[in-house]
Amino acid sequence: DIQLTQSPSFLSASVGDRVTITCRASQGINSYLAWYQQKPGKAPRLLIYAASTLQSGVPSRFSGSGSGTEFTLTISSLQPEDFATYYCQQLYSYPLTFGGGTQVEIK
Amino acid sequence: QMQLQESGPTLVKPSETLSLTCIVSGGSINTYYWGWIRQPPGKGLEWIGIIHLSGTTYYNPSLKSRVTISQDMSKNQFSLKLTSVTAADTAVYYCGRRIPVAGGWFDPWGQGTLVTVSS
Repeated sequence: DIQLTQSPSFLSASVGDRVTITCRASQGINSYLAWYQQKPGKAPRLLIYAASTLQSGVPSRFSGSGSGTEFTLTISSLQPEDFATYYCQQLYSYPLTFGGGTQVEIK
Repeated sequence: QMQLQESGPTLVKPSETLSLTCIVSGGSINTYYWGWIRQPPGKGLEWIGIIHLSGTTYYNPSLKSRVTISQDMSKNQFSLKLTSVTAADTAVYYCGRRIPVAGGWFDPWGQGTLVTVSS
């Protein structure tokens, strides 16, 4: 199985901050990575697929980059509605594993 | 707009079988892949398995001996069965569509249903 390690697992930030979350894969996964946002009591919401393609309707302050084993999700200017937990998922091979999540909280 | 809705018992006794159905509206399941993901309370996401329109299935090895995913094209729905459940299977269960383009992604997701395993 491909393991995904997200860091940090928790971060505290202020509105307007630039935030970067890292996802590292235990082996190369090309660009077969998606990012999701999850708010309490809600289903995950797709933000980015193919490592860097923004899903329709997702604000442009979100961006993704990387390929192979290292990936990043960046929020250029954190907004109040962005406080949530973020997950990466690899879709390169079965089982389709998720990272452990990064909880973004208000400082 | 496609919508997915999980349905089934929310309380299951230990050693029994958990059965859930995902009802798809606004589109046909005769496309792509359809899968299940779960999330224990306060924890992260765990991928359970997936079924292709051809009927081919892929399961998480950690659950493979207990999981069956099937589909009913005539009812536009797909289902999850998890046998011999324990308290560790208590989780919110989500269904979702996987689109295998440009690497792929899961979207949309159902709203999720909390299934509790308890006597």
